[in-house]
Amino acid sequence: DVKVTQSSRYLVKRTGEKVFLECVQDMDHENMFWYRQDPGLGLRLIYFSYDVKMKEKGDIPEGYSVSREKKERFSLILESASTNQTSMYLCASRMPPGVVGGGSYNEQFFGPGTRLTVL
Amino acid sequence: KNEVEQSPQNLTAQEGEFITINCSYSVGISALHWLQQHPGGGIVSLFMLSSGKKKHGRLIATINIQEKHSSLHITASHPRDSAVYICAVSQGGSEKLVFGKGTKLTVNP
Repeated sequence: DVKVTQSSRYLVKRTGEKVFLECVQDMDHENMFWYRQDPGLGLRLIYFSYDVKMKEKGDIPEGYSVSREKKERFSLILESASTNQTSMYLCASRMPPGVVGGGSYNEQFFGPGTRLTVL
Repeated sequence: KNEVEQSPQNLTAQEGEFITINCSYSVGISALHWLQQHPGGGIVSLFMLSSGKKKHGRLIATINIQEKHSSLHITASHPRDSAVYICAVSQGGSEKLVFGKGTKLTVNP
């Protein structure tokens, strides 16, 4: 079974702190994603990475950066946390579509989520 | 207008009832996904489909490509089905999913 893990389930930080959210997957997936989920807004893509050291902005990248130094690990960084970044953060991974063994149609496997509160 | 619309937003049912959640989309897609999110946050993939119908246990998903519409049905609903159900679409060649806002289902005993 694919396993996607996130470093923390709950995190409380103060405004202005630098925050690191870590995501690790154990299935050698090339694609990894960071989302935030807010009531009434659903899941929104922050950043995704399609390979080591490769990244692309999603729909709401402002205030965030990412790091992908190893294939299995994708980190989300809040350079200076603000209260409007209080949210549920979800990581996901996937093999690119069409890759043998990756499954068709882009199935994504999600981590358990990190509920971040910025005070 | 959102590219993926779900209805209803909230749904309360009694145990045993037949449940339908709807999803409409306005873009061309390569596949449609139904996801389930239990309280606590974790999301699991229930179905991926690009045509026709799929069934897994008490869950059935259908899609009508011409009408750009999909439905998720739950037969003989149970309190453990209480969760948020999310519809998402993937567009050919794109790495991204476009998500609906979710339907919160509560099944009372």
